Amino acid sequence: DVKVTQSSRYLVKRTGEKVFLECVQDMDHENMFWYRQDPGLGLRLIYFSYDVKMKEKGDIPEGYSVSREKKERFSLILESASTNQTSMYLCASSLLLRESEQYFGPGTRLTVT
Amino acid sequence: AQSVTQPDIHITVSEGASLELRCNYSYGATPYLFWYVQSPGQGLQLLLKYFSGDTLVQGIKGFEAEFKRSQSSFNLRKPSVHWSDAAEYFCAVGEGGYNKLIFGAGTRLAVHP
Repeated sequence: DVKVTQSSRYLVKRTGEKVFLECVQDMDHENMFWYRQDPGLGLRLIYFSYDVKMKEKGDIPEGYSVSREKKERFSLILESASTNQTSMYLCASSLLLRESEQYFGPGTRLTVT
Repeated sequence: AQSVTQPDIHITVSEGASLELRCNYSYGATPYLFWYVQSPGQGLQLLLKYFSGDTLVQGIKGFEAEFKRSQSSFNLRKPSVHWSDAAEYFCAVGEGGYNKLIFGAGTRLAVHP
């Protein structure tokens, strides 16, 4: 059974803290993605990676960075958390092919106070 | 720019009734289209996808969708809704060469007994 796991389901952080969200997939997928989900806005792509150490900005990269040191792991980093980054964060992975399905993790609900 | 529109934010149906969720896309080339479902507190699960060929595609849980190029639509249907279908539904179009997805804002489905 394919699996994408995220390190935390719920996270509460203070403004200005550095926050790490971890995602691991066990399917040997080349692509990995980070989205944030907000009511009425659907899912918006923050960053994605198509290979180890390779990354591309998505539609809303400001305030975020990513790291992919190993194929199975993709980390999202909030360098200095702000209240407007309170959101649900979803990680996904897929094969490289354009028609491939993306598999999603359960999400991390981050609250920044 | 590519975009996906889901005109209905909330839909309520009675159990046993038929269902149609609307999706319109804007994309210059032949689109790769997806429908995902998100149950409360869960990640997204793929219901079905369209790449080419037969414009009526079958998915899991009794769902189907029809691709209509002339209307730029990919509406999701189910002939008889079950209470367990209550969830949020997202339409998405594949963009570019790295299997990026653009999501609609989602439609939240409520099912009355």
